[in-house]
Amino acid sequence: DSGVTQTPKHLITATGQRVTLRCSPRSGDLSVYWYQQSLDQGLQFLIQYYNGEERAKGNILERFSAQQFPDLHSELNLSSLELGDSALYFCASSVDGVAYEQYFGPGTRLTVT
Amino acid sequence: GIQVEQSPPDLILQEGANSTLRCNFSDSVNNLQWFHQNPWGQLINLFYIPSGTKQNGRLSATTVATERYSLLYISSSQTTDSGVYFCAVMSGAQKLVFGQGTRLTINP
Repeated sequence: DSGVTQTPKHLITATGQRVTLRCSPRSGDLSVYWYQQSLDQGLQFLIQYYNGEERAKGNILERFSAQQFPDLHSELNLSSLELGDSALYFCASSVDGVAYEQYFGPGTRLTVT
Repeated sequence: GIQVEQSPPDLILQEGANSTLRCNFSDSVNNLQWFHQNPWGQLINLFYIPSGTKQNGRLSATTVATERYSLLYISSSQTTDSGVYFCAVMSGAQKLVFGQGTRLTINP
């Protein structure tokens, strides 16, 4: 158990819908990262927050957004869902956002039908 | 951006065998991690090893930062070692860049 929690574990929804994925970092970690794992793109970084502020952005679509709340939990919002958004979405956390070890949650498996 | 190459892409071994997985990267790094993704999809931290050598039971890892590669050694393989092994690096930026993984299958 990494100490990072993610909900829900599985999500099945239809094209055009909107979903919210939730992540709670390890106790004491200030930085939260979101990654997407798909069959064709592999594991890719989406976005990072540090202590409530966006720190870095990767290959995140405009239809996707995220935020980190004062209690440090984070949410990833995916809207206007397409079949190609079906993937495993991971949240990770670390003490800081520079070179510290990142710990990954169990992931949310999103299926868009 | 930094490139990460893992080899071999696939490895099939008998229980009890030893294996070496390689990760090459194209630039200097300030973070390198090895993960095991089990059949249920969980990413399990194996090593945080931007340089040097570490050991944890039957697993060990070495990173030679000056030559831009890292090796993961698995000794006396067990069927529970099956899965995909990922190397991921961070170079200056905040994100981890993952290799494509090595799929390891251990047959009884």
